[in-house]
Amino acid sequence: QSALTQPASVSGSPGQSITISCTGTSSDVGNYNRVSWYQQHPGQAPKLMIYEDTKRPSGVSGRFSGSKSGNTASLTISGLQAEDEADYYCCSYTTSSTWVFGGGTKVTVL
Amino acid sequence: EVQLVESGGGLVQPGGSLRLSCAASGFTFSDYWMHWVRQAPGKGLVWVSRIYSDGTNTIYADSVKGRFTISRDNAKNTLSLRMNSLRADDTAVYYCVRDSSYTPDYWGQGTLVTVSS
Repeated sequence: QSALTQPASVSGSPGQSITISCTGTSSDVGNYNRVSWYQQHPGQAPKLMIYEDTKRPSGVSGRFSGSKSGNTASLTISGLQAEDEADYYCCSYTTSSTWVFGGGTKVTVL
Repeated sequence: EVQLVESGGGLVQPGGSLRLSCAASGFTFSDYWMHWVRQAPGKGLVWVSRIYSDGTNTIYADSVKGRFTISRDNAKNTLSLRMNSLRADDTAVYYCVRDSSYTPDYWGQGTLVTVSS
């Protein structure tokens, strides 16, 4: 199972919006509504930000949103803030009954 | 509050063995599938293994198949990972992760395994 494809880095200025893409295949991203996104600050465990493609857990800022089209999912962060600077990972359930993760995207707030 | 606390990591020589444990609390452990996910230093997240809620079914990544064994004790709310024939590329932080409807929702803080001579 190959890793999902994410850009290595994305940057934006405070207040701007950025979008991170996550491309898989018809065996994972395109087959289930089970893409999730995680924020990871250095030395910390990943934190769930989006689940089931578009849903936001309670307590997660409304500035985070998810979408999906075909085999590509996306995470959008609106109104970028300094605290959003972190690594972001996508994850999908697969037809092999496993999880596959993206390679991670480093978000930099300029 | 859901809590997952890993333990058992450390320094081990190549070819050696280690057993990781994860103590779960704050939810009905026996209702959930559980997984191990690892992260090599400076690298991304990689799925390792999954076990059904009743322990009847397990699955492994190709990279650890035949060397790692996942298990659980629902009476003690504990998840385990037995790791044999360890290699340098097994060096990573190992996370215990709860599966909620095929989504990794809660993660432990991780335990570091270092394989080196």
